[in-house]
Parts: sequence; structure tokens; C-alpha cells
Amino acid sequence: DQQVKQNSPSLSVQEGRISILNCDYTNSMFDYFLWYKKYPAEGPTFLISISSIKDKNEDGRFTVFLNKSAKHLSLHIVPSQPGDSAVYFCAAHRLGAQKLVFGQGTRLTINP
Amino acid sequence: GAGVSQSPSNKVTEKGKDVELRCDPISGHTALYWYRQSLGQGLEFLIYFQGNSAPDKSGLPSDRFSAERTGGSVSTLTIQRTQQEDSAVYLCASSIGGGLAGDEQYFGPGTRLTVT
Repeated sequence: DQQVKQNSPSLSVQEGRISILNCDYTNSMFDYFLWYKKYPAEGPTFLISISSIKDKNEDGRFTVFLNKSAKHLSLHIVPSQPGDSAVYFCAAHRLGAQKLVFGQGTRLTINP
Repeated sequence: GAGVSQSPSNKVTEKGKDVELRCDPISGHTALYWYRQSLGQGLEFLIYFQGNSAPDKSGLPSDRFSAERTGGSVSTLTIQRTQQEDSAVYLCASSIGGGLAGDEQYFGPGTRLTVT
């Protein structure tokens, strides 16, 4: 039962262009969504989050959009930089629980 | 002031042996989590500690898996009679705690377990 899905295992984007990573979820009880970034041999690091009562949150080059009716969120990175090459995980928090539910991850490669 | 640390970084063990994985959370963080990432998969929740107690053990895959936390700090994840399907990267995270939705979890680098 995959409650959080990232359907694109990989994405390749040219440096300077926009990267859009997508995430779908099935549980309407999720109240908070997060994006984590992971480099090889390191643990995931928090990138940006959004509450379910919002539809957009922006932090520098990173913007997360939430469409509750579609149960879909996306992470936009603009402009994309070579250092953005990593695996990106979408995660969701359910009200009343502590654990995070993660998607499978999307490997983003930024080409010079 | 270091982040979450885990040891060992890599562990190779024979099928049937027991292993212990250690996690040192960020000082002052009351919440501690164990996740694992199997090849090509996302992070799978195993267990959550608040202080020394574990209110959510729902992710432990079998009774061969157990975890404890002492002094509200260090945690050990023990896998008994390891099987090949236990091979994964085991990640520990900690957070300030308190049950808030925006309570950011900070992850350690993980322990890569290989069962041969």
C-alpha cells in the first residue's frame, strides 16, 4: 500500500532550466508534506515543507505546490544548478502520527 | 553540536547471525526514528521513540527486529538471525519532538547492512 508515490524514478534537466519533481498521495489525512534531498552515502536532508492548509511555499530557488483536490504536490527548482543533482524524496506526515511516509524517490541529474 | 551519527557505516554479516546498529541523536532531541531503505525503494518507517519509550513500533517487519533507547539518547536496533532480505541501508533520524507536524527530522548517514 504505497500511500506516497513518486512515479518518475529519474529526471534529467539542463543547468539553468526549471526542474519539476512530482509526488502523489492517497491518504487525505496527511496534514504536512516535506521534500528531502539525498546525496550518495549521506542521510536525507530537509529541503522544504508545506502545510495542508497552504497551496504554495517558496524558499529561494525552491517552491513547493500542493493541490489537495488532486492529492498532488510538486517541487520546482529554478534555476537548476549542478549541485542540485541528488535523489529527492517526497514525504508526508499524518495528523496524530509521528512517522513520515516516504515516496520511492526521484534521481535528478542536472546537465551542464 | 554534531548531527546524528550512526555506527557502523557498513556491516557485512552472514545469514543467521545477529547484528546491532547504533544511533546517536542530536543532543536535546527527544524523538528518535529508525527507517530503512532497501534497494530501489523509498524510506520505510520501522520504529519511533519519544524519550525511552516506543509508542509506535508498527513498522518493525518481524519479531527478529527490536530496538531500545537508553537515557533518552543513544538507540540500538538489533536484528536477530539475519536474513538476506534484511539487506538495506538503516537510517536513524531525530527531532525536537512534541508531536508537531512541522517537527523536522534530521537524518544520520545510515548503516549499510549486507547479509550474505
